Amino acid sequence: GAVVSQHPSRVICKSGTSVKIECRSLDFQATTMFWYRQFPKQSLMLMATSNEGSKATYEQGVEKDKFLINHASLTLSTLTVTSAHPEDSSFYICSASPWGAGGTINEQFFGPGTRLTVL
Amino acid sequence: AQRVTQPEKLLSVFKGAPVELKCNYSYSGSPELFWYVQYSRQRLQLLLRHISRESIKGFTADLNKGETSFHLKKPFAQEEDSAMYYCALSPFSGGYNKLIFGAGTRLAVHP
Repeated sequence: GAVVSQHPSRVICKSGTSVKIECRSLDFQATTMFWYRQFPKQSLMLMATSNEGSKATYEQGVEKDKFLINHASLTLSTLTVTSAHPEDSSFYICSASPWGAGGTINEQFFGPGTRLTVL
Repeated sequence: AQRVTQPEKLLSVFKGAPVELKCNYSYSGSPELFWYVQYSRQRLQLLLRHISRESIKGFTADLNKGETSFHLKKPFAQEEDSAMYYCALSPFSGGYNKLIFGAGTRLAVHP
């Protein structure tokens, strides 16, 4: 149980285009989802916390107009990188915290990540 | 400021040797501490958390509030323990809250 999927697993796009990444909790409801960014050989940096039905909370230094987050249901959150540029190329990882049975409070289950390459 | 420090980027040991992956944190309140592991080509997964006081795959970690440390230990390393290990801090106990990760330590266990 407690599986999180991401789609797509990798995407290549041209500079200036927008890219949407989906994060789904497959077998549990997630009131909270998190989006991370990971540069090569570096740690995960939290970008934002997404709560179902409310606006995302962004970490300091993360442009909310650049990285649009929508958490419309208890099983889906999306991250849209708007007007992507080469410096946005990175590995984006989502995680989800379940509510109730199937997970412990504060435990996060991670998706496999999405590799974004902006040409 | 909330911070997690893992001073070693790489820890290389031989099979059967003891292992200690260091983690220090900076936080004024009472945090929850976690160790996450990422095996090659796999996603990040929880290894253990301090409130559980469990031993998972032979690993243990004790929260030392005086030294603000949460070192991960295993008495006898196995080759399958080779992976990337991340120490993480959650600022609040209970509820759902963000994780602040350390830089990670790569453990390489040689035969």
